[in-house]
Amino acid sequence: NAGVTQTPKFQVLKTGQSMTLQCAQDMNHEYMSWYRQDPGMGLRLIHYSVGAGITDQGEVPNGYNVSRSTTEDFPLRLLSAAPSQTSVYFCASSYSQADSGNTIYFGEGSWLTVV
Amino acid sequence: AQTVTQSQPEMSVQEAETVTLSCTYDTSESDYYLFWYKQPPSRQMILVIRQEAYKQQNATENRFSVNFQKAAKSFSLKISDSQLGDAAMYFCAYRMGTSYGKLTFGQGTILTVHP
Repeated sequence: NAGVTQTPKFQVLKTGQSMTLQCAQDMNHEYMSWYRQDPGMGLRLIHYSVGAGITDQGEVPNGYNVSRSTTEDFPLRLLSAAPSQTSVYFCASSYSQADSGNTIYFGEGSWLTVV
Repeated sequence: AQTVTQSQPEMSVQEAETVTLSCTYDTSESDYYLFWYKQPPSRQMILVIRQEAYKQQNATENRFSVNFQKAAKSFSLKISDSQLGDAAMYFCAYRMGTSYGKLTFGQGTILTVHP
């Protein structure tokens, strides 16, 4: 049972380069989301998806693109990396459940440094 | 917009003692959920406990319990019989009722456990 898998775990980019952080889940979850974690600020929502073909912006979407062509995958794209995007990125997924408080599963994080 | 505030950047406790981490939140919603997550140095996000807003009874999970004060919008975490393995960053998080996968996090509290 792989859960939520993020790749790569570590990446160094130069300013202006582009890259994609991959996220895959094998639990058939409808909901997937991307967060970034910066010192002293907790985790902040970048983008999320409620199902294949449906995405929406979170709290800090600027500089990031997402797509959801399949239920399993939710890649996060940085089109032109900036030093302000140096952060730890977490992908998460969950079911929608009628009962109380569905469990959100997090990936192990991807450390991105932009120089 | 919903906000979550953790006013204690750092806390410390002696092993076997009890410690309480504070969290306040702001929302106009009546249907929501509150969570405490633990993040050890590995950066893994571990769900500690969750509370449904409609439940008056405080949630408990072994040595972890919450004091949920809905009117005051307060959600504190009590850790009893603290263990060295409890040392971590702790995040309080909020989720609106049907916004599955969309969490709003506090800034975090670093907990140190002294032997």
